[in-house]
Amino acid sequence: EAGVAQSPRYKIIEKRQSVAFWCNPISGHATLYWYQQILGQGPKLLIQFQNNGVVDDSQLPKDRFSAERLKGVDSTLKIQPAKLEDSAVYLCASSSDWGGELFFGEGSRLTVL
Amino acid sequence: KQEVTQIPAALSVPEGENLVLNCSFTDSAIYNLQWFRQDPGKGLTSLLLIQSSQREQTSGRLNASLDKSSGRSTLYIAASQPGDSATYLCARGRSQGNLIFGKGTKLSVKP
Repeated sequence: EAGVAQSPRYKIIEKRQSVAFWCNPISGHATLYWYQQILGQGPKLLIQFQNNGVVDDSQLPKDRFSAERLKGVDSTLKIQPAKLEDSAVYLCASSSDWGGELFFGEGSRLTVL
Repeated sequence: KQEVTQIPAALSVPEGENLVLNCSFTDSAIYNLQWFRQDPGKGLTSLLLIQSSQREQTSGRLNASLDKSSGRSTLYIAASQPGDSATYLCARGRSQGNLIFGKGTKLSVKP
């Protein structure tokens, strides 16, 4: 069974530029999550989708971050404009059901200069 | 505030030693508790998931326990090996299905 796929693995941008990350969850998993992990910290939830609907985006900085999951499968997380403090690893995860085990991708490491 | 705390932040042990990693959480209305392993530069690998109705789960040399009344979970690793060196994260499950993570315990097992 293929795992959660993420791209790109690494991205370096200047502050105020924009960036987009892509995630393809495990086939059949209805729930998709985006987490932000800053160096030395545990992951922090940014947004949770159930199919293509948003369940929780309370910690998403909506002035600069946006995410979508149009067809209930793939998802894209965008940052525009990026700030220095956005340097982090962006992790995508999926689960087959509500409250089930989460499976994570390898993450996308963002460096903002 | 729903916090998850992991102590110690780092741990170094000789190979073969049995060890315990600790996790505490502030909200007893826990949905589930999940333990993960993270290798440098990698994503998270799920180790064990304990539902709120369960007290423990076992997988190979790993055993995780959950005590909701005291707000604690422990991960027991038997006969540690150098390959066990990684950061171990615990996460408390919320009713919405997402997780609140601790900062992790960085484990180093010396040959």
